[in-house]
Amino acid sequence: DAKTTQPNSMESNEEEPVHLPCNHSTISGTDYIHWYRQLPSQGPEYVIHGLTSNVNNRMASLAIAEDRKSSTLILHRATLRDAAVYYCILTSGTYKYIFGTGTRLKVLA
Amino acid sequence: DTGVSQNPRHKITKRGQNVTFRCDPISEHNRLYWYRQTLGQGPEFLTYFQNEAQLEKSRLLSDRFSAERPKGSFSTLEIQRTEQGDSAMYLCASSLAGNTEAFFGQGTRLTVV
Repeated sequence: DAKTTQPNSMESNEEEPVHLPCNHSTISGTDYIHWYRQLPSQGPEYVIHGLTSNVNNRMASLAIAEDRKSSTLILHRATLRDAAVYYCILTSGTYKYIFGTGTRLKVLA
Repeated sequence: DTGVSQNPRHKITKRGQNVTFRCDPISEHNRLYWYRQTLGQGPEFLTYFQNEAQLEKSRLLSDRFSAERPKGSFSTLEIQRTEQGDSAMYLCASSLAGNTEAFFGQGTRLTVV
């Protein structure tokens, strides 16, 4: 499975947008980009996934670069409940997610 | 549907004892996964079932670890002769086949003393 690179930590003010970057320069044509987040003392929670086109759902948006070598998870209005570790994962439809250390998002009131 | 359920939530055991954890996946999900997570790290893949068949085991899973999924429903993860290095959060997840999202349980935190 291809590897992803994310910043260790980021901060955001409450009610402001947050852009969480992820680099995946070795992505293959069949790799999907998945994002999960993990709140303290919880299991990971699915956020969004995409292949080539930008995606929106009720939680977030996923912007995928044209060359697919990077992507950005966008939280449109951060709340204190969005403070979590965010993981960017590549998967080609197999069952095995390779989690890195993710980005720890801190939301400031 | 109450999501993926894991029991117990916490387990403290003495070194050398055997422990067993249970995972109840979302009922229609045919894929079930086990992961292990230590402090400050992301979850690490341990093993995967498609229905009742165990299709892959990570090299992280030593001979002391065994997982089963009888009848393709709930799954158990057993650790024999526990060691202090086994202390971790053990996470179970389930999904449908294909490129869909996985749903994780809240995990079982194991402490070996």
